[in-house]
Amino acid sequence: DSGVTQTPKHLITATGQRVTLRCSPRSGDLSVYWYQQSLDQGLQFLIQYYNGEERAKGNILERFSAQQFPDLHSELNLSSLELGDSALYFCASSVVPSSGNRGEQFFGPGTRLTVL
Amino acid sequence: GNSVTQMEGPVTLSEEAFLTINCTYTATGYPSLFWYVQYPGEGLQLLLKATKADDKGSNKGFEATYRKETTSFHLEKGSVQVSDSAVYFCALTLETGGFKTIFGAGTRLFVKA
Repeated sequence: DSGVTQTPKHLITATGQRVTLRCSPRSGDLSVYWYQQSLDQGLQFLIQYYNGEERAKGNILERFSAQQFPDLHSELNLSSLELGDSALYFCASSVVPSSGNRGEQFFGPGTRLTVL
Repeated sequence: GNSVTQMEGPVTLSEEAFLTINCTYTATGYPSLFWYVQYPGEGLQLLLKATKADDKGSNKGFEATYRKETTSFHLEKGSVQVSDSAVYFCALTLETGGFKTIFGAGTRLFVKA
């Protein structure tokens, strides 16, 4: 158990809909990362937050957005869903900055999104 | 730019065989290097890491050495088990205004009994 929790575990929805994925980082971790893992694209970095502020952006679509709240949990919002958005969405957290771990990330179990 | 390249899978081995999964990287600055493992149905978990040149990371019989001269971080294990079947990801982290991590595409390993 990494200490990172994600809800829901599974989500099935229809094209055009909007969903929200939730992540709670490990206790003490200030940074949260979102990744998308699909069969054809591998593991794609979407976005990173640090202590409530956006820190880095990867291949995140405009239809997707995220935020990190004062209690450090994060939500990833996916809207106008398409079939191709079906994937595993992982959240990870890390202690940033830290002289000890040099960027090691702890991953949650993921949310499997199926768009029908 | 910064990138990580791993050997393509799947890699299929018999139990007790020797494993090598190649990983090379391109990075500006001095990255830390990681191997993560993803077992079926689970999230990624850190397998081992190395934070500077010539460091050797090791865990559960797996080893990898940070080779700056060849920009490589190959994963090795002397004798694989069926339970090692998983997807292995090589990754680098750069401290550029926050830690930015880049993952390789992953290499799927199948170990047959």
